[in-house]
Amino acid sequence: QSALTQPRSVSGSPGQSVTISCTGTSSDVGGYNYVSWYQLHPGKAPKLMIYDVIKRPSGVPDRFSGSKSGNTASLTISGLQADDEADYYCYSYAGSFWVFGGGTKLTVL
Amino acid sequence: QVQLQESGPGLVKPSETLSLTCTVSGYSISSDCYWGWIRQPPGKGLEWIGSIYHIGNTYYNPSLRSRVTISVDTSRNQFSLNLRSVTAADTAVYYCGRRPTRSSSWIWGQGTMVTVSS
Repeated sequence: QSALTQPRSVSGSPGQSVTISCTGTSSDVGGYNYVSWYQLHPGKAPKLMIYDVIKRPSGVPDRFSGSKSGNTASLTISGLQADDEADYYCYSYAGSFWVFGGGTKLTVL
Repeated sequence: QVQLQESGPGLVKPSETLSLTCTVSGYSISSDCYWGWIRQPPGKGLEWIGSIYHIGNTYYNPSLRSRVTISVDTSRNQFSLNLRSVTAADTAVYYCGRRPTRSSSWIWGQGTMVTVSS
């Protein structure tokens, strides 16, 4: 059971868009539509931003969107804002197991 | 709205058992959903520990399977984590969470820091 692959870091200026990728295998990301994305700020609970690949919980701005192609899921954040700066983790079902990505640090320049 | 609160010792000695409880409010633990635990060691990423279905089926991270037990106490509306034979590598913030069936919408509690040290 290996961690999903995410870029260590991404960055963008306010107002721009960034995309964070999450690459797995046909046994996890590619095999199920059970991929979620979490935002982590230090000292706070992981906040659910996207679930079931494309669904957005109530209260999450529509600037956040999810997608999947083959074994790679993606989180796109448009109209970057300063408080989007955080760590982001993808999380996928893998058939009775769950596996996280290694995490991506988003810096808003 | 479901709320989850972790509790337990903040300091555990090496080789002993780490025991945490998650108290659930606003939702019955007997409802059709999954309950689970994840953790984040200092400076590292998130790791899935395991989960339990409301009727008792358990699922564990293969790397921790030999040391982990997750159980449900329906009378107290709580579920718990026991991690045996801990080492310093088990030092982490531990989070409890819940997800509905047929969804990946896990919701997590605020977390509790556990340090393994003599």
